[in-house]
Amino acid sequence: DAGVTQSPTHLIKTRGQQVTLRCSPKSGHDTVSWYQQALGQGPQFIFQYYEEEERQRGNFPDRFSGHQFPNYSSELNVNALLLGDSALYLCASSLVGAYEKLFFGSGTQLSVL
Amino acid sequence: DQQVKQNSPSLSVQEGRISILNCDYTNSMFDYFLWYKKYPAEGPTFLISISSIKDKNEDGRFTVFLNKSAKHLSLHIVPSQPGDSAVYFCAASEGGDDKIIFGKGTRLHILP
Repeated sequence: DAGVTQSPTHLIKTRGQQVTLRCSPKSGHDTVSWYQQALGQGPQFIFQYYEEEERQRGNFPDRFSGHQFPNYSSELNVNALLLGDSALYLCASSLVGAYEKLFFGSGTQLSVL
Repeated sequence: DQQVKQNSPSLSVQEGRISILNCDYTNSMFDYFLWYKKYPAEGPTFLISISSIKDKNEDGRFTVFLNKSAKHLSLHIVPSQPGDSAVYFCAASEGGDDKIIFGKGTRLHILP
């Protein structure tokens, strides 16, 4: 049973560029959450998607947007990249209502130069 | 504004002894608490949780204690094993809220 898979694993971008990160949830899961983990910090909630809609959002600017597809996979888009966007981006999946049992992917390490 | 605080960045414990990881929170509306464990190059994995209606939850070698009046929880690992060396994140959520708030983590080193 495949767990949560994320691609790519590493990415290097320059300031001002746009980036798209991808996530496939664990089989049977219908909810995807995205977290940003900066160096030395804990994961910080960006947003959550369920039934192709953004269900809840953390304290992140509109430059961060997402999408969920009918097969429950999800994308995270970040526009106008800043140096401070350099971080590990984690995708987590769960069943709606069982949000506390998040299953995380290994993450995408984004470096903005 | 850190709502979940793990004030010890690292902790070293002898193999076989008890590891105690601490966590404080500021939001009195939190009613569900979790611990996640993270190995390098892997995502966090769920370890154990506790609801605010309980003060203790046990799962094998892992026990979480909750002191609501002090807004404090702790994770006890007994006995500590080499495979327990990892970063441990304390996390919390508010009733019905899908957003989970994480602390900065504590790196646990189990010494041979």
